Amino acid sequence: KQEVTQIPAALSVPEGENLVLNCSFTDSAIYNLQWFRQDPGKGLTSLLLIQSSQREQTSGRLNASLDKSSGRSTLYIAASQPGDSATYLCAVSMVNTGNQFYFGTGTSLTVIP
Amino acid sequence: DVKVTQSSRYLVKRTGEKVFLECVQDMDHENMFWYRQDPGLGLRLIYFSYDVKMKEKGDIPEGYSVSREKKERFSLILESASTNQTSMYLCASSRPGPGELFFGEGSRLTVL
Repeated sequence: KQEVTQIPAALSVPEGENLVLNCSFTDSAIYNLQWFRQDPGKGLTSLLLIQSSQREQTSGRLNASLDKSSGRSTLYIAASQPGDSATYLCAVSMVNTGNQFYFGTGTSLTVIP
Repeated sequence: DVKVTQSSRYLVKRTGEKVFLECVQDMDHENMFWYRQDPGLGLRLIYFSYDVKMKEKGDIPEGYSVSREKKERFSLILESASTNQTSMYLCASSRPGPGELFFGEGSRLTVL
């Protein structure tokens, strides 16, 4: 069964710093990988979707990369701001399990003003 | 703007009550999902549906049922609520493939 891991569980950085969040998965037969943001008490907001054939996707200050063969994805946040403070989750969907998604437990990010 | 709407943000129910959680999406998505999210356990799939009147059990279906009578609406039913069903419930939808997953705002259920 696919297992998705996000390390560290929590991260604290000063405002303005560039940072990288990590996501690893055990089965490389993925269909796509998606990064989400979750604010406390709210639902998940989609940030970036990377298809298995892609290497990276960019949206504003966010850049997500995918290395399927090594089972890794990173989310790069440039020039972090206090408003970036949230929990970031990654999820993968599989080629051979239809429409299911497998989630990591997230990295809680705090950006200190 | 694409939207998944959950009918109730906060609910408080008594043990043994029947609870309905409603979810509506306006994106004409075939797939709809119900997850629960608990601290330390992450998101766990309860049920999903890939078409009207179709449903599949997820990882933790016990104590829950679902209904999908129309493409845009997916309901989660707790037949007899118990305290261990206190949780955040999240509805999501996507195109087949699966495509990008979109979530609602969540429903925080407390069972007393």
